Order: sequence, then structure tokens, then C-alpha cells
Amino acid sequence: EVQLVESGGGLVQPGGSLRLSCSASGFTFSSFWMSWVRQAPGKGLEWVASIDQHGSHKKFVDSVKGRFTISRDNTKNSLSLDMNSLRAEDTAIYYCAKNIQGGYIFYFDHWGQGTLVTVSS
Amino acid sequence: QSVLTQPPSASGPPGQTVTISCSGGSSNIGTNTVDWYQQLPGTAPKLLICSNNQRPSGVPDRFSGSKSGTSASLAISGLQSDDEADYYCAAWDDSLDGILFGGGTKLTVL
Repeated sequence: EVQLVESGGGLVQPGGSLRLSCSASGFTFSSFWMSWVRQAPGKGLEWVASIDQHGSHKKFVDSVKGRFTISRDNTKNSLSLDMNSLRAEDTAIYYCAKNIQGGYIFYFDHWGQGTLVTVSS
Repeated sequence: QSVLTQPPSASGPPGQTVTISCSGGSSNIGTNTVDWYQQLPGTAPKLLICSNNQRPSGVPDRFSGSKSGTSASLAISGLQSDDEADYYCAAWDDSLDGILFGGGTKLTVL
């Protein structure tokens, strides 16, 4: 059974930093793209970042480029999101998601339960 | 355009069929496949339809997806109270080089 467990969320001041982690199990982690998707309180889903199987290709939504970094450790089945220069608008539940990718296909077939990040003074 | 547009709400009585639309552009739906996610209240999203019209294992056949040109739709037949949820369409956008989500549709079973 695929399991994705996020951790690292919490309250942080504007301009601060936070590192989110996602522990994966139940599948061959090193064979799949992985992503982060967020959801602001009462709002819809927003894709944040994705990383390929080897960590060599990374993609980000424009609003986080230069502030967020995505990485993975295939030896530990772990995905991370380093968030810097945090803003109030980054307040959201952050979901870790496993991807199915190929050709014209790119979707999230499994999701974690999410971790809440609150940016406030 | 790099936006996926969904109606904010949809509703229907138990047993009826409801359809949720998702309108995009040539850089997203017009080129790439469309996926649908269901988010029950207070829970994480769940993949409902992938690759335009494929149901993952465990998804009832009451849920179906279709795509034509730059638009897609999700149909839910035999509505049940358990279907009350937010539904999101999504597609890769070549201009943004990332995933676009629709704004979501809140389904109410009357």
C-alpha cells in the first residue's frame, strides 16, 4: 500500500524559512516523479513543484521560483521542500503527491494527508 | 489560455446525473490529457479520473470523463450523498511548464 507522510509544517514569521519532508513507502520511490501541491484555507488546489526520478529535473510554479527548492533522497525514500522568504500567501496545507508521468500524461495518483504551513507574525 | 475554468457549484437530487465542465486552451487541455480529483470534506484529494477517461482501480463506473478539443467534462450518474465533495480538473500546461488545476466545483446532492 502506497503511503505518503508529510511533516515539518508549522507557524513561521513572514520572511522566515521552513523545510517540509515527505516519507514514502509501498512503492519503488526512485522510479517516480514526485510533487508538492498546496491548498490555501478555503481555496482550491495549486501545484507548487515537481522533481524527476533522479532529482535532475525540477519544475516550479512561478510564484515560488527562487524561494522554494525541491529535492529528494532515493536512499531514504524521502522528498523535501525547502521554503525561504515565506509570505502570508504561502499559508496553506502542503500535500506530497506521487506522479504518473509520460508523454502527454502527468497526474497525481497518490496523495499524503498534508501538513499545514502558517505564515504570520 | 493558461487557465482551467470550472463552474463553482453543481447540484442534483439522489439518483440523477450531473456533469461538471472544465474549459481550457490549446496549451493545456488541447494538447495534454485531463485528470479529475475528488476532495471529500476535510480530506486529501483523491484521483478520480486520469488520462481523460480512465478510472483508477476502485473508482465506481458511475464516474466518467471525456474530452473534446480544449474542454473536458466529468459525469457522475446515480448521484449519492457520499458524492458531496469538491471536484477539480487538472492538466499539464506547456506554456507554464507545470500543472494547472481548475478552480474546483462544489457538488451538492439535494
